[in-house]
Amino acid sequence: NAGVTQTPKFQVLKTGQSMTLQCAQDMNHNSMYWYRQDPGMGLRLIYYSASEGTTDKGEVPNGYNVSRLNKREFSLRLESAAPSQTSVYFCASSEVATVGYEQFFGPGTRLTVL
Amino acid sequence: RKEVEQDPGPFNVPEGATVAFNCTYSNSASQSFFWYRQDCRKEPKLLMSVYSSGNEDGRFTAQLNRASQYISLLIRDSKLSDSATYLCVVNLGTGGFKTIFGAGTRLFVKA
Repeated sequence: NAGVTQTPKFQVLKTGQSMTLQCAQDMNHNSMYWYRQDPGMGLRLIYYSASEGTTDKGEVPNGYNVSRLNKREFSLRLESAAPSQTSVYFCASSEVATVGYEQFFGPGTRLTVL
Repeated sequence: RKEVEQDPGPFNVPEGATVAFNCTYSNSASQSFFWYRQDCRKEPKLLMSVYSSGNEDGRFTAQLNRASQYISLLIRDSKLSDSATYLCVVNLGTGGFKTIFGAGTRLFVKA
């Protein structure tokens, strides 16, 4: 099992460009998440999907959109990238979005916006 | 005040040392607690859950003090391979999903 996979691993964008980060999990998990991690700060939740067909905003959703394509896949889109979106993005999944369940993370996407 | 606070460190310890990290959380509605480990430029991975009665996994011991709202992680007999950032993680039991990650404590174990 690959667990949680993310593409691309690295990306450089110019301000105003758009891109989609892809995430897939093969653990048959119901819930998936997108986080960003910035130096000196904890991971911050951007959006999550508690189950296929649902998505909800997290702590820092502005400038992002998501799509839960199916149970396996959850994508994150930056419509018009800004330098403030330079960060490391992690996708995660868990069996359910309930307290007490472990989250499994992908390897991350390092995004730089110039 | 941050919802989950950790001393960022770094903690520099020799092999074989015992080291302890603390983490405080602000929301008394917090229901579950974890320590995750994150190696440099890698993804976080679960180290251990933290139970009210305290729990141990080999060289690692986690404690929870609900009254004072803090969590601790004790590492005994430190190994070079323990060098990493340790993230304190709290789940809130309020409606909806909310997991708060601390910014992490960096540990360097030296030979």
